[in-house]
Amino acid sequence: AQSVSQHNHHVILSEAASLELGCNYSYGGTVNLFWYVQYPGQHLQLLLKYFSGDPLVKGIKGFEAEFIKSKFSFNLRKPSVQWSDTAEYFCAVTAGFQKLVFGTGTRLLVSP
Amino acid sequence: DAMVIQNPRYQVTQFGKPVTLSCSQTLNHNVMYWYQQKSSQAPKLLFHYYDKDFNNEADTPDNFQSRRPNTSFCFLDIRSPGLGDAAMYLCASRTGANTEAFFGQGTRLTVV
Repeated sequence: AQSVSQHNHHVILSEAASLELGCNYSYGGTVNLFWYVQYPGQHLQLLLKYFSGDPLVKGIKGFEAEFIKSKFSFNLRKPSVQWSDTAEYFCAVTAGFQKLVFGTGTRLLVSP
Repeated sequence: DAMVIQNPRYQVTQFGKPVTLSCSQTLNHNVMYWYQQKSSQAPKLLFHYYDKDFNNEADTPDNFQSRRPNTSFCFLDIRSPGLGDAAMYLCASRTGANTEAFFGQGTRLTVV
């Protein structure tokens, strides 16, 4: 069964700083990978997704993620964060028709 | 237009009184999921269906049951809610491999 781990539980950055959030998964087969964002008091929104092809995936709001198969990783990046990026970020993995499993989440606080 | 609809958005129930949460999707998706999300935590998978094939997570309490009478609808029954079951309950659906999951707005359950 697949599982996901996110290394950083809390990240604090100043505006304009670069962001990288780690995500590692465990599953030996073909996976689909996702990053979701949850703003305070709001529902989950999809930031980006990887199914196949180019391992560098671009999403909404200037976010991107890189799938590195050899490292079982799917790290999220943004070159320059804004105060409005303050939110919780979840990495998720699924395989085929199986369950969609979320990581523990990373809470990002961007100070103005 | 909302594609995954959860009703009600807010539910207050008494300790021990059975409660049912509902989810419908207009997308004709094969896979549906129920998650429990407590404050500042990741969504925790309770169940998922592939068509009528039901999959129960090993650590989902027996107090939680689910029904999927047809493709569009899925229900979460909590037979005897305890204070610890107060949470946001999320429903999601997807077609299958290489597709994203669409989430509903959630039902916030309060147990008094």
